[in-house]
Amino acid sequence: GQNIDQPTEMTATEGAIVQINCTYQTSGFNGLFWYQQHAGEAPTFLSYNVLDGLEEKGRFSSFLSRSKGYSYLLLKELQMKDSASYLCASLNTGGFKTIFGAGTRLFVKA
Amino acid sequence: DVKVTQSSRYLVKRTGEKVFLECVQDMDHENMFWYRQDPGLGLRLIYFSYDVKMKEKGDIPEGYSVSREKKERFSLILESASTNQTSMYLCASTTDSSNQPQHFGDGTRLSIL
Repeated sequence: GQNIDQPTEMTATEGAIVQINCTYQTSGFNGLFWYQQHAGEAPTFLSYNVLDGLEEKGRFSSFLSRSKGYSYLLLKELQMKDSASYLCASLNTGGFKTIFGAGTRLFVKA
Repeated sequence: DVKVTQSSRYLVKRTGEKVFLECVQDMDHENMFWYRQDPGLGLRLIYFSYDVKMKEKGDIPEGYSVSREKKERFSLILESASTNQTSMYLCASTTDSSNQPQHFGDGTRLSIL
């Protein structure tokens, strides 16, 4: 079957670093997306990994290990505005089907 | 910037009504999607379309149909609304390149009474 697991909720302190993990079991894997979704708003694209390794983009980095079916999103220098849900999504080959995880709600406290 | 526009942010309908949710994108994207988002379940694909007049079932198509008469517009139809279709509905679009992210509309929160 196809499945994506990520923690339901996380809490971190402003200025700190937080790592949000995602494990996936999907057929025909063709890359992994991370999206950010603030409450009541549309998901917005953060990162895409298709090769193993770390992709850095400002305060956000994303890591992928294809052999382990594992990814994480790393947020540095946390700000209050980073409080949101973070969606891990696996893209399958042969089409445009993206499997989304249930999302991780991150609470950033002062 | 890509703009995906959904016709309503909030909608209240009654059981048994036929409901139309409209989505328009302005970037000439080939692919369009309809999802529903429920707490604890994440985004679930209802239908998608990769070209005008083409449609494919997603994971939960029962009770829904879609229409893509023009490239920029993708409509979701609830043939006979039921209370278990109360949800947040999100439309998305993307280009033909498979590694491109989806661009989402702001969503329609639909309540069926």
